Amino acid sequence: QKEVEQDPGPLSVPEGAIVSLNCTYSNSAFQYFMWYRQYSRKGPELLMYTYSSGNKEDGRFTAQVDKSSKYISLFIRDSQPSDSATYLCAMTLSTGNQFYFGTGTSLTVIP
Amino acid sequence: EAGVVQSPRYKIIEKKQPVAFWCNPISGHNTLYWYLQNLGQGPELLIRYENEEAVDDSQLPKDRFSAERLKGVDSTLKIQPAELGDSAVYLCASSSGGANNEQFFGPGTRLTVL
Repeated sequence: QKEVEQDPGPLSVPEGAIVSLNCTYSNSAFQYFMWYRQYSRKGPELLMYTYSSGNKEDGRFTAQVDKSSKYISLFIRDSQPSDSATYLCAMTLSTGNQFYFGTGTSLTVIP
Repeated sequence: EAGVVQSPRYKIIEKKQPVAFWCNPISGHNTLYWYLQNLGQGPELLIRYENEEAVDDSQLPKDRFSAERLKGVDSTLKIQPAELGDSAVYLCASSSGGANNEQFFGPGTRLTVL
């Protein structure tokens, strides 16, 4: 079983839709949870960073962590064509430790 | 501020040939990572450096892969000899080791082995 599971998609939504991206994980010791966005032929860039359980909001993006269910989510409100990318979840035991990445979900927002 | 720089961006070689990738991290970042990313997959750690010391190389196939980070700044990842299955994107990332441990990624080197 992989440490982190993520539905690869692809996911296609109309502009303005609310997008929900999810990951599950097996190691209950993970404490730091991240979402990266990766455009084609580019390196991943950090979108959201959350420590332990709870919600974090940044503009149109909301990250949720439910440690009891070992489940994390990223919500994108009012999705834009520029949001079209692959979204990778990542998590780590503590700062400085190895990151465990999901496989990424490919998102296309149709104008 | 300049980001993580990698070169070359693309490399095509024949199997059994050697190949090397170069990474220049963000200035002041002590931690440097090399990842391998296959198509449709997330990055997988190959090696992590703290300054010039390799602190985690457990995932590096040491029979054909080697890496160095002389002087704790630039780093080079080498494959010798390359195999068909090595075709992938090789990503370099760096971090300052701060509270959120954000890793900044370079654009990657796309390797094709024929």
